[in-house]
Amino acid sequence: QVQLQQSGPGLVKPSQTLSLTCAISGDSVSSNSAAWNWIRQSPSRDLEWLGRTYYRSKWYHEYADSVKSRITINPDTAKNQFSLQLHSVTPDDTAMYYCTRDHGGLDNWGQGTLVTVSS
Amino acid sequence: DIQLTQSPSSLSASVGDRVTITCQASQDINNYLNWYQQRPGEAPKLLISGASNLETGVPSRFGGGASGTDFIFTIYSLQPEDIATYYCQHYANLPYTFGQGTKLEIK
Repeated sequence: QVQLQQSGPGLVKPSQTLSLTCAISGDSVSSNSAAWNWIRQSPSRDLEWLGRTYYRSKWYHEYADSVKSRITINPDTAKNQFSLQLHSVTPDDTAMYYCTRDHGGLDNWGQGTLVTVSS
Repeated sequence: DIQLTQSPSSLSASVGDRVTITCQASQDINNYLNWYQQRPGEAPKLLISGASNLETGVPSRFGGGASGTDFIFTIYSLQPEDIATYYCQHYANLPYTFGQGTKLEIK
């Protein structure tokens, strides 16, 4: 059974970097059949795909245009996890952040981390 | 980006009712559409993939269909535990996008 466990701070100051980690159990971040995504849900309940990383003989990273200039999603094979960094945050980045596995649909989700951007 | 227009935005129905939610894509997505259930305080849960394929363990009262760029999600007999918000999501290309959600309440 695949489980995703998120960790990271729930409060980030404006202009700083939001950093979250998603630890994977029951699968491998290096899987050749899965992709590892970050999605956020705004206070108005809209869902937004932010980006993903996956391994197919080499590592790929793909990002939404809306955050492309300030996002990094990286795998950590030693710890079997992947991370999200979102730089230069503003209050508009306040949201619930989820990590998810894409394996014929977003079939496994982390528990979510509510991140508030405020001074 | 592909836009998904989901309707209605909210819905009230009685236990045992048949409930239908629609999702219209702004272009052909080749049935690359998933449906999710999000109960209050929980992460979304994948119910249906590829427009009509029920995920393992999902009750058979849930179903999905497609006609061109129009997609339908059906609960054939509404149960109290189905109170949730339902979302469609396409995976035809990047970026993945979601419908606005349909909040389902019991009368």
